[in-house]
Amino acid sequence: AQSVTQPDIHITVSEGASLELRCNYSYGATPYLFWYVQSPGQGLQLLLKYFSGDTLVQGIKGFEAEFKRSQSSFNLRKPSVHWSDAAEYFCAVGSNDYKLSFGAGTTVTVRA
Amino acid sequence: DADVTQTPRNRITKTGKRIMLECSQTKGHDRMYWYRQDPGLGLRLIYYSFDVKDINKGEISDGYSVSRQAQAKFSLSLESAIPNQTALYFCATSPSGNYGYTFGSGTRLTVV
Repeated sequence: AQSVTQPDIHITVSEGASLELRCNYSYGATPYLFWYVQSPGQGLQLLLKYFSGDTLVQGIKGFEAEFKRSQSSFNLRKPSVHWSDAAEYFCAVGSNDYKLSFGAGTTVTVRA
Repeated sequence: DADVTQTPRNRITKTGKRIMLECSQTKGHDRMYWYRQDPGLGLRLIYYSFDVKDINKGEISDGYSVSRQAQAKFSLSLESAIPNQTALYFCATSPSGNYGYTFGSGTRLTVV
């Protein structure tokens, strides 16, 4: 069965600084990988996804993620964080029957 | 109107009470899902339905039941609520053969 680990429960970053959120997955086949963001009181919104091809994927809101098969990782990055990026971020892996398994989430706090 | 609507948004109930959470969608998606979110645990799948006549248990189905009344409606019931079912519950939909998930805004349930 697939699983996802997000090692960082909480990250605090200054506005304008770079951000990297870690995600490690376990899956026997080629993984389908996703990053979602949850703002307070909202549902989950898809930031980006990786299915195949270029291992560096671009998403919405200036986010990008890099798939590294050798490290079983799919880390999310943003070069310059805005206060509106404060939210909870979830990494997820998809199964062959299109179900998603989520990590525990990383809460991002942005300080002025 | 939202694509995926969950009612109620918030609910406080007493231990032992029966409660139903409702989800309706206007996306026309075949598949519907119920997840619960707990701090530090991420989203865990309770039940999912690939079409009206196909309902499946997820990883944490004990204590829950579901009903798929129509393609657009998927309800989650707690027959006898207990305090450790206090959580944020999300409904989601997706098309068949596709990872295009749409999430509702969540129902915050507190069992006292």
